[in-house]
Amino acid sequence: AQTVTQSQPEMSVQEAETVTLSCTYDTSESDYYLFWYKQPPSRQMILVIRQEAYKQQNATENRFSVNFQKAAKSFSLKISDSQLGDAAMYFCAYRETSYDKVIFGPGTSLSVIP
Amino acid sequence: GAGVSQSPSNKVTEKGKDVELRCDPISGHTALYWYRQSLGQGLEFLIYFQGNSAPDKSGLPSDRFSAERTGGSVSTLTIQRTQQEDSAVYLCASSKGEVGNQPQHFGDGTRLSIL
Repeated sequence: AQTVTQSQPEMSVQEAETVTLSCTYDTSESDYYLFWYKQPPSRQMILVIRQEAYKQQNATENRFSVNFQKAAKSFSLKISDSQLGDAAMYFCAYRETSYDKVIFGPGTSLSVIP
Repeated sequence: GAGVSQSPSNKVTEKGKDVELRCDPISGHTALYWYRQSLGQGLEFLIYFQGNSAPDKSGLPSDRFSAERTGGSVSTLTIQRTQQEDSAVYLCASSKGEVGNQPQHFGDGTRLSIL
């Protein structure tokens, strides 16, 4: 069965600095999708960034970028120029291309220090 | 509507009572998901619908939990004879359900408290 692991339960970063959140997953599939979601204290989950496994180029969305290492089954999220509003729980998620079920990691709580 | 709507936003009930949680997905989204999130924890998958059918019910914790979806739209999650360990936030999400990189859109959740 597919699993998603986030080995950092908590992380902190100084405002304006860069932080990297790690995610690894286990799958026997060759094609799939990966996502990072953010959940601020307000509770609503928001999509941050997504990556298709067949694409070698790492996805970027403004200050957010990923380091996708397919062979290592690693999908880390880099947040540059961290802002106070980035403080939240961050969840890594995996989805097969042929099946809608999405599997989430346990999450990383990110604190931003002013 | 513009987003996924869940009701009620908060529910407090006594142990042993039945509760119904409602999810109204984004119009046109064929896939619908229910998750449970305990305080400070990750998302626990409960059930997933494609249209009105549930290909995967593997996450339902016990036979006290059931869910249905009608008309390919609204879904209700029912918990019978609630227990204190059922206290959590129940999140609903929907997606276009097409094969592809369509993300899930989440509701604000229902916070369920069992006294």
